[in-house]
Amino acid sequence: NAGVTQTPKFQVLKTGQSMTLQCAQDMNHEYMSWYRQDPGMGLRLIHYSVGAGITDQGEVPNGYNVSRSTTEDFPLRLLSAAPSQTSVYFCASTPGTGVSGNTIYFGEGSWLTVV
Amino acid sequence: AQSVAQPEDQVNVAEGNPLTVKCTYSVSGNPYLFWYVQYPNRGLQFLLKYITGDNLVKGSYGFEAEFNKSQTSFHLKKPSALVSDSALYFCAVRANYGQNFVFGPGTRLSVLP
Repeated sequence: NAGVTQTPKFQVLKTGQSMTLQCAQDMNHEYMSWYRQDPGMGLRLIHYSVGAGITDQGEVPNGYNVSRSTTEDFPLRLLSAAPSQTSVYFCASTPGTGVSGNTIYFGEGSWLTVV
Repeated sequence: AQSVAQPEDQVNVAEGNPLTVKCTYSVSGNPYLFWYVQYPNRGLQFLLKYITGDNLVKGSYGFEAEFNKSQTSFHLKKPSALVSDSALYFCAVRANYGQNFVFGPGTRLSVLP
């Protein structure tokens, strides 16, 4: 079972460059999300989607864009990378919306460094 | 607004001793509570969850957690720690009407041989 697949695992960017972190899930989950993990701050929600064609902002959306053209894919775009975006990024998915008891499944993470 | 606190950045315990990792939460309505574990350079893995029913929840790898509504706590416990339990542990809450998870800052558990 592939689950949630993220690419790339490691990336170094120069300030001002743009890039896309890819995320795909094969579990037919409706709900997908992107988090960033920074030391001492836990996971903070960047953007999320409750289904194809629907996206919304989370806690820290600035500097990031998302789209959800299919159920399976939820890419995260960094528009103009800044050193403050150096972090570990996790894509996640959950089956169903409004079903609060469902757990969340995470990808393996993408380590991004902006220099 | 939902929030989760994990008051200890680091917990050290000797192998074979019981361990507790603390979590308190704040949420409007009934909470759905979760524990996740993260090993180095890996994603988060689900350990256990409380939805309703028995306040003592059993999960993977011998872990359990106790839901205490009056103290708004959901502490993670294990009767006998293993060195392999050393990892970063996250508590998370989800409101019963909402969809987003809120995670605590994490507690690093070190089990010493």
